[in-house]
Amino acid sequence: AQSVAQPEDQVNVAEGNPLTVKCTYSVSGNPYLFWYVQYPNRGLQFLLKYITGDNLVKGSYGFEAEFNKSQTSFHLKKPSALVSDSALYFCAVRDLQAGNNRKLIWGLGTSLAVNP
Amino acid sequence: GAVVSQHPSRVICKSGTSVKIECRSLDFQATTMFWYRQFPKQSLMLMATSNEGSKATYEQGVEKDKFLINHASLTLSTLTVTSAHPEDSSFYICSASTSGGLYNEQFFGPGTRLTVL
Repeated sequence: AQSVAQPEDQVNVAEGNPLTVKCTYSVSGNPYLFWYVQYPNRGLQFLLKYITGDNLVKGSYGFEAEFNKSQTSFHLKKPSALVSDSALYFCAVRDLQAGNNRKLIWGLGTSLAVNP
Repeated sequence: GAVVSQHPSRVICKSGTSVKIECRSLDFQATTMFWYRQFPKQSLMLMATSNEGSKATYEQGVEKDKFLINHASLTLSTLTVTSAHPEDSSFYICSASTSGGLYNEQFFGPGTRLTVL
């Protein structure tokens, strides 16, 4: 079965420190992976995606993610965290068994708290 | 670019009434729109996928007669919660995807908070 796992419900990091939000996936075939962020009382915003090519993908707000096929992971990273990065982060993978309807399979989300 | 709006942002209704939520793609044509439900501190639950001009595809366990979805144009989809009950209270979010491939990201609306009294 296809799935996405975000093993950490909550991540706490001090401002200025590097942050990592973990994501692992399970799909049958080549994965198409996405990261979204949800700020308090706001809609989800697209951060970045991996389709093919370089394993290191750069996205919005200084975030990047590394695709690791052998570990089936797509961890989100940022070299220096800001307090304003505090939000809920979702990892998602394209449902390859859903035909042509562009459906995503979502992780449960990771709440990131950046402490000043 | 790629802005999606939802209206209303917040609605309170009495049990038994119906509520319509609109989702619009403001600056692009959305071949596919998605409707999600999000519970507090929980992930997104996909309710249905709608393609312009065709019937929506509902996820298992979602009552199609209760959650009516219409995607009549490339910029508008509506979700109508019929005969709403308190257990329907939730945060409903729509998203839209452009045409041109299976790899395009979804663009999300700001969500609608529904409270059924």
